[in-house]
Amino acid sequence: QQQVKQSPQSLIVQKGGISIINCAYENTAFDYFPWYQQFPGKGPALLIAIRPDVSEKKEGRFTISFNKSAKQFSLHIMDSQPGDSATYFCAARGGIQGGKLIFGQGTELSVKP
Amino acid sequence: EAGVVQSPRYKIIEKKQPVAFWCNPISGHNTLYWYRQNLGQGPELLIRYENEEAVDDSQLPKDRFSAERLKGVDSTLKIQPAELGDSAVYLCASSNGGYTNTGELFFGEGSRLTVL
Repeated sequence: QQQVKQSPQSLIVQKGGISIINCAYENTAFDYFPWYQQFPGKGPALLIAIRPDVSEKKEGRFTISFNKSAKQFSLHIMDSQPGDSATYFCAARGGIQGGKLIFGQGTELSVKP
Repeated sequence: EAGVVQSPRYKIIEKKQPVAFWCNPISGHNTLYWYRQNLGQGPELLIRYENEEAVDDSQLPKDRFSAERLKGVDSTLKIQPAELGDSAVYLCASSNGGYTNTGELFFGEGSRLTVL
């Protein structure tokens, strides 16, 4: 019940296309859903985050869509660029273990020129 | 402002040897985390500190792993003895605001451990 399931495992998108990564969770006590971006040899860095009281949050080319009833959320990257090539992790926080941040398995995104 | 600093960046040891990793969090951040990231996987929490108190160490393999955070600032994660399955990247992160706050986690670049 503490898991966060992420798909796809890898994604190849053409420059200018839309990248979509999906996550699902079971624990309804989760109350914070961030996405982290990780480049090779670096630690993850916060990209964008959402709380379950809103259905969408947009920051530049990055949008989180949140479906509370389905317990799913997704990251959309519009006008994908080669510089977006990285591994993306969804995560969830809250529940019986308070501030523990639980990560998905990651999606390796490659944007082709 | 300096980010989270970890050392060493890389460590290669033989199995059964000890190893230690050091983390210096962002100044003023009272919450410190150690995560382990296996190849191709997401980070998994090992231990979380609020100041100098370990408030969540349920995922720390206590038979061989130990951690400390003296004076609520720097932290050290130790493995003794190391096993082949311990090969991973050990990530340190810090945040401001305590475990009930949904504040951002700032990660270091990690310490990559290879056990031969």
